[in-house]
Amino acid sequence: DTEVTQTPKHLVMGMTNKKSLKCEQHMGHRAMYWYKQKAKKPPELMFVYSYEKLSINESVPSRFSPECPNSSLLNLHLHALQPEDSALYLCASSQATGVQPQHFGDGTRLSIL
Amino acid sequence: GQQVMQIPQYQHVQEGEDFTTYCNSSTTLSNIQWYKQRPGGHPVFLIQLVKSGEVKKQKRLTFQFGEAKKNSSLHITATQTTDVGTYFCAVSASGNTGKLIFGQGTTLQVKP
Repeated sequence: DTEVTQTPKHLVMGMTNKKSLKCEQHMGHRAMYWYKQKAKKPPELMFVYSYEKLSINESVPSRFSPECPNSSLLNLHLHALQPEDSALYLCASSQATGVQPQHFGDGTRLSIL
Repeated sequence: GQQVMQIPQYQHVQEGEDFTTYCNSSTTLSNIQWYKQRPGGHPVFLIQLVKSGEVKKQKRLTFQFGEAKKNSSLHITATQTTDVGTYFCAVSASGNTGKLIFGQGTTLQVKP
């Protein structure tokens, strides 16, 4: 069982839709992350939140908009996505930034039609 | 930017054989982490190494950090079908940002 919960597990959306991915952790971790993973590739970092503030944006297109409403929740708002954005989106958390193990959720498998 | 090379990309072994994956960097690393991702699953943290020459064991898994802190290995003794998956090394980018740079991964297949 994973301690980082992501919803939904699967999402199919059209290029004009707006949807959101959600992530929740109750381990008291103060750093949260969004990753994108394509098939047979390693996870690629998208965003880092530290103490609910955005600390890293890896030059992600603005059609992806992260939000951290509180220390337990992390959202990723999606709008006008492209077919190449189809991937597994993973949320992770760690006690803090720095040299810490990261705990991953099961991910949301996103397909853009 | 910082990069870490991981080899081999794929490894097929007969159940009971040993398996090793290697990660190499051209720069000195502060630490290295190892993750396992089962097919259809998510990365799961296995271990973190921080000291030069460090060796850690978890049952049949042995993790090693090189003396120069530029390379690391994961060795599995007597593989089992439950070892199937992709093993990633990951290094921390400089600056204590939490950013991890993953190796390309080694996908292990075990034939029963």
